[in-house]
Amino acid sequence: KAGVTQTPRYLIKTRGQQVTLSCSPISGHRSVSWYQQTPGQGLQFLFEYFSETQRNKGNFPGRFSGRQFSNSRSEMNVSTLELGDSALYLCASSLLRGRSSYEQYFGPGTRLTVT
Amino acid sequence: AQSVTQLGSHVSVSEGALVLLRCNYSSSVPPYLFWYVQYPNQGLQLLLKYTTGATLVKGINGFEAEFKKSETSFHLTKPSAHMSDAAEYFCAVSGGQGAQKLVFGQGTRLTINP
Repeated sequence: KAGVTQTPRYLIKTRGQQVTLSCSPISGHRSVSWYQQTPGQGLQFLFEYFSETQRNKGNFPGRFSGRQFSNSRSEMNVSTLELGDSALYLCASSLLRGRSSYEQYFGPGTRLTVT
Repeated sequence: AQSVTQLGSHVSVSEGALVLLRCNYSSSVPPYLFWYVQYPNQGLQLLLKYTTGATLVKGINGFEAEFKKSETSFHLTKPSAHMSDAAEYFCAVSGGQGAQKLVFGQGTRLTINP
């Protein structure tokens, strides 16, 4: 079974631009979560989607948004990019059923550099 | 609210020696606890988890962890380190209605000396 895939793997953007990152969960997984990883702040939860609805949200400004499609694929968008948005953005999917409940499987991440 | 503290941002052991990575958590609800490993330029790989039941949990690659409620700890151990264990390790907690929201510790970089 294929793992979580994220596209693109690397991205360079300029301050003020916006960016969209994509995540395809493991087949059958309906929950998708996003995390930001930086050297200074570590791993921080952005938001979680289940059945196209945002269920949980972390403490990030409104410039960070996301959505989930009917096939469980998810996108996150960051508008008006700032230098501090440079990070590794990780997507994780969960089955939310049976013994595998609450296990999150991570993709390889998208490395975003803002210049 | 939940939080995780990993004691030691860097741990160095000799090949064949015991690996012990420390994790203490705080949670206002019964916790779900996880250990993840991250190799350079990769995502996170789940090593093991505790949700309910047996407090000693075994994971992949010979790792295990013990949930100790009285000590609010979930330390990760491996009896004999291998060079391939060199990586960064993250302890995480979740639980309650926010069970999909993982709160991570700052990570511990494990170095294996030959």
